[in-house]
Amino acid sequence: DTEVTQTPKHLVMGMTNKKSLKCEQHMGHRAMYWYKQKAKKPPELMFVYSYEKLSINESVPSRFSPECPNSSLLNLHLHALQPEDSALYLCASSQGGIGNTIYFGEGSWLTVV
Amino acid sequence: EDQVTQSPEALRLQEGESSSLNCSYTVSGLRGLFWYRQDPGKGPEFLFTLYSAGEEKEKERLKATLTKKESFLHITAPKPEDSATYLCAVQPFYGQNFVFGPGTRLSVLP
Repeated sequence: DTEVTQTPKHLVMGMTNKKSLKCEQHMGHRAMYWYKQKAKKPPELMFVYSYEKLSINESVPSRFSPECPNSSLLNLHLHALQPEDSALYLCASSQGGIGNTIYFGEGSWLTVV
Repeated sequence: EDQVTQSPEALRLQEGESSSLNCSYTVSGLRGLFWYRQDPGKGPEFLFTLYSAGEEKEKERLKATLTKKESFLHITAPKPEDSATYLCAVQPFYGQNFVFGPGTRLSVLP
C-alpha cells in the first residue's frame, strides 16, 4: 500500500466552485509533488516543493494554487476550473529533495462540470 | 530536449507468453531510470530504479535491464494480474524533474 495519502478520492465541482485536494506523507520525505494525468497519457508535473520551497511549472494556469503547510502536508487549491481540467491528480513524494525515487499516492479524480 | 519513448504502445499476451517492453531515451544525462506499474484509475506503483548501463533488477516475473540508450522490462510467464500500464521515467541529473515516457498498456489474457 502507498504511504502517500490523498483526499478526496473523487471530487465533482462546478466551474465557479472553490475546492482543495489534500495530500499527506509520513515517510520523512522532503520533496512533494503535484502531477496531473489525463487518460492514456503519462503524468505531467505541475508543482514541486523541495524542503518547502516551491518550484512552478510555468505552463500551469493560476486557477491551480499549491500550498505546503509543513513537510508532511501538501494541498492543491482549485478555483474557477474549466471542464478540460478534469483529470486524475496525483500527489507524490521523494526522500531528500528532488532526485530520488518518487512515490505516488492513489490519486484524486476530479470532474469539472 | 530530453525525450523518452516506449514501445509497443499496447501489447496483448497470452498467459505464460514471455515478452519485453522497451524504453528508449534521448537525454542530456542519465542519473537514473525508473519503472512504474499503473493500474487503471490508480497512482503509479514504483517497481525499479536503474543507474548504470549493465545493471539489472528483478522482482517476481519482472526483470529490468539498462543499456546506454534504452531499458527493457522483461516479463516471464505473465499472469492476468500483470495487466497494467508500465511507465518508464528518466532523471537526467540529480535535482532535475523526471521525464516520463507515454507508457505501454499490457493485457495478459487467461
